[in-house]
Order: sequence, then structure tokens, then C-alpha cells
Amino acid sequence: SAVISQKPSRDICQRGTSLTIQCQVDSQVTMMFWYRQQPGQSLTLIATANQGSEATYESGFVIDKFPISRPNLTFSTLTVSNMSPEDSSIYLCSFTTGGAGELFFGEGSRLTVL
Amino acid sequence: AQSVTQLGSHVSVSEGALVLLRCNYSSSVPPYLFWYVQYPNQGLQLLLKYTTGATLVKGINGFEAEFKKSETSFHLTKPSAHMSDAAEYFCAVTPSGTYKYIFGTGTRLKVLA
Repeated sequence: SAVISQKPSRDICQRGTSLTIQCQVDSQVTMMFWYRQQPGQSLTLIATANQGSEATYESGFVIDKFPISRPNLTFSTLTVSNMSPEDSSIYLCSFTTGGAGELFFGEGSRLTVL
Repeated sequence: AQSVTQLGSHVSVSEGALVLLRCNYSSSVPPYLFWYVQYPNQGLQLLLKYTTGATLVKGINGFEAEFKKSETSFHLTKPSAHMSDAAEYFCAVTPSGTYKYIFGTGTRLKVLA
């Protein structure tokens, strides 16, 4: 199965700055997603990263705050903009190859905003 | 709308004892159901899934789950807990044919020596 890697694995950032998280899959995949996992909570879908077009955002998430790129079928980035302490979370990249549709996850990027 | 309820945010069992993690779902269409495990500082890993067919599904590491449509449940079991099973477990549902996953709030399993 495809291998997925994310970086950075963790970072500590200052309020008001932005951070870009990269997600690389070692083979072409159909659909890529970005999830947020806030401390002690479950996963919430931020958006579906569409290759060659704008991402599809879920309710409560906007492009200005979480711009996403997907230039090809193996790579995506998520930027967390103008960060506040409330953005402290684990951000997870995932993909599915279709079929029965299970998700494969990266190891996550643990973000702490001071 | 789909939803997932995991009963018990924390479950403790003794090593060698039965593990039972509960998951109930609601779905207006036939669902696909999943259990994922998350070890500390790692992403989620698929344990098992139900899509169609046999309602008792077996997964990795000795886990299994049974889809009970009448009870709208998909509980996860393992006959004998091992220390390495200590992790957080998430139940998830998605309507068949879509990729809109809904995750439960997770159950943290602690295994006591």
C-alpha cells in the first residue's frame, strides 16, 4: 500500500504567524483530505484537496484560514494562517484509493500556538 | 445525517481479559463502518472494516467486530487484551459510495498488568 508522510511532525508557533504542512504520498491517489484533531477530541474534516482545482471545504472552515494546494496526485499542502492558540491541534493528511474507501493517514503534524 | 456514538471515553481492562469497545451509528443509507486505532504520536491505522457481506469481520491484531443492523451497532472485541493494545480507538461511518467520514469521539483503552 502507499506510504504517506507529513512534515513537520510538530512545531511551536507564535500567534499571528502562518505554518504550511506538507503531505507526500509515494504513489498517485484519487482523493486526499485534511483533518483536524483537537486535544482530546475526534477528527474533523477540514477539506477535500482536489487536484488542479480549489479545495472543497467543510462547514466552519474557510479558504482564507486554511488554504490548501494540490498540484498533483501525490502531494498536498495545508496552511494554517494567522494562527491563534485555538488552532493548536494535530493536523492529519489522509487519502483513499477508492473502492471500499478506507482512509490512510499520515502520522500527523502536532501544532502548538503560543 | 450520519453520526457515530462511542460509549465510554476511557476503558480499562486487565491483561488477558476481554476487550469490548462499543460503537453505535445512525445512517439513512447503508453504511460502511470502520474501526481505527491511534497509538501515541501516530496517525490512525485501520483495524477492520465492514462494507457488505459477512457481518462478522476480522481485523488485525486479533480484533473483530460485528455489524448488527437491527441494533445499529458495530462493537469491537478482542478475546484477550495485550499490553500493546493500549491506544485510542475510533469508530467511523461513511455512507456507501461516498467519502464523507464521520468519526466517533474515541475510546482510550488502558490495559492493566
